[in-house]
Amino acid sequence: ETGVTQTPRHLVMGMTNKKSLKCEQHLGHNAMYWYKQSAKKPLELMFVYNFKEQTENNSVPSRFSPECPNSSHLFLHLHTLQPEDSALYLCASSQDPQGRKEKLFFGSGTQLSVL
Amino acid sequence: EDQVTQSPEALRLQEGESSSLNCSYTVSGLRGLFWYRQDPGKGPEFLFTLYSAGEEKEKERLKATLTKKESFLHITAPKPEDSATYLCAVQAGSSARQLTFGSGTQLTVLP
Repeated sequence: ETGVTQTPRHLVMGMTNKKSLKCEQHLGHNAMYWYKQSAKKPLELMFVYNFKEQTENNSVPSRFSPECPNSSHLFLHLHTLQPEDSALYLCASSQDPQGRKEKLFFGSGTQLSVL
Repeated sequence: EDQVTQSPEALRLQEGESSSLNCSYTVSGLRGLFWYRQDPGKGPEFLFTLYSAGEEKEKERLKATLTKKESFLHITAPKPEDSATYLCAVQAGSSARQLTFGSGTQLTVLP
């Protein structure tokens, strides 16, 4: 298997549920990212991990909790979400986390609906 | 604050009808401008990176150009399979790790 794989593809959850999104990259990259994509809005960067260390957190609410156990895996733990958190959550990876070549490889995303 | 504006929001073309998509940007110290293609139900797929004004890149029916204020994605003789949302993003010196994305142009090519 190659590329960036995200599971599940679709998720429906209530506001009191706890769930996790999973991302795995098979590209040997060193940096991994979580993005949020809402309808008609630009992609919003949520978190960046570089060699398993979180390097950026774009003022994301604490109900979103990322975890990066190694350079190939990334999780996004969700709890007590709000309906406005419904969106497509995209995972991405890149090879060159420090340089100018910020070419990202994206997964297909998890379409999240919060009821 | 870095800003990226794409126009038009949506574009419908007949097969073979060439056109251009626009990406205007305001950043402090452009390090790179990126074009991505996104199909429904999928993540964005990388197309091009442009680094300096005057630079051009081509891939099949697509050609990307860059000036100091904007980038164009020219589509020559498009086919229905070119239908997708095209995203523009910039990487600026002020936030070297982050990409600032535009809202995209949804392109539909009719047979």
